[in-house]
Amino acid sequence: GQQLNQSPQSMFIQEGEDVSMNCTSSSIFNTWLWYKQDPGEGPVLLIALYKAGELTSNGRLTAQFGITRKDSFLNISASIPSDVGIYFCAGQRRFILFTDKLIFGTGTRLQVFP
Amino acid sequence: EAQVTQNPRYLITVTGKKLTVTCSQNMNHEYMSWYRQDPGLGLRQIYYSMNVEVTDKGDVPEGYKVSRKEKRNFPLILESPSPNQTSLYFCASSHRVKGEKLFFGSGTQLSVL
Repeated sequence: GQQLNQSPQSMFIQEGEDVSMNCTSSSIFNTWLWYKQDPGEGPVLLIALYKAGELTSNGRLTAQFGITRKDSFLNISASIPSDVGIYFCAGQRRFILFTDKLIFGTGTRLQVFP
Repeated sequence: EAQVTQNPRYLITVTGKKLTVTCSQNMNHEYMSWYRQDPGLGLRQIYYSMNVEVTDKGDVPEGYKVSRKEKRNFPLILESPSPNQTSLYFCASSHRVKGEKLFFGSGTQLSVL
């Protein structure tokens, strides 16, 4: 099955730094989602995007739906230790009579050092 | 509290010994799904269910079975586990069609020796 490519695979940053990660696909999606997985837990939804070019924030997190509809971006400003975890993007295609399943990215592992 | 509950959290077994991982949700969600998480491969869907008695294969269904006899429960069955099924498994549910906004369980780490 198709998977989305996330970049980078892992990041090691210092507390206070800003973080950028992205997700790319060979197919067009009309919904993009970002999830975060804390160590030892299941993923939790952070942000959902529904329109090309849309920019949505959730606290220090900002996500964008790429204009081509083949990519999405997540930025974290002023990182803190609890930002540690794996970030997954997910895309979904919706049609008039049919909704395709959610497809997940390969994940970006974030480590934050004090 | 709204939640998806998986059991057990950790399981070590031997090749060929049948096992079941249970999953239960208390949100009256129609959609439920199982994923496996492997390093570098992200989350891959095993099976999903749109409603009671309605199940379908995901991307990696081989070696797994599921059932949906009640809305709240969606067990994952490995009839004859093999070492390549060693993985971290997640159950998830959603009220949306095809699970757009998924709620995940805490995971089951399975090791097959």
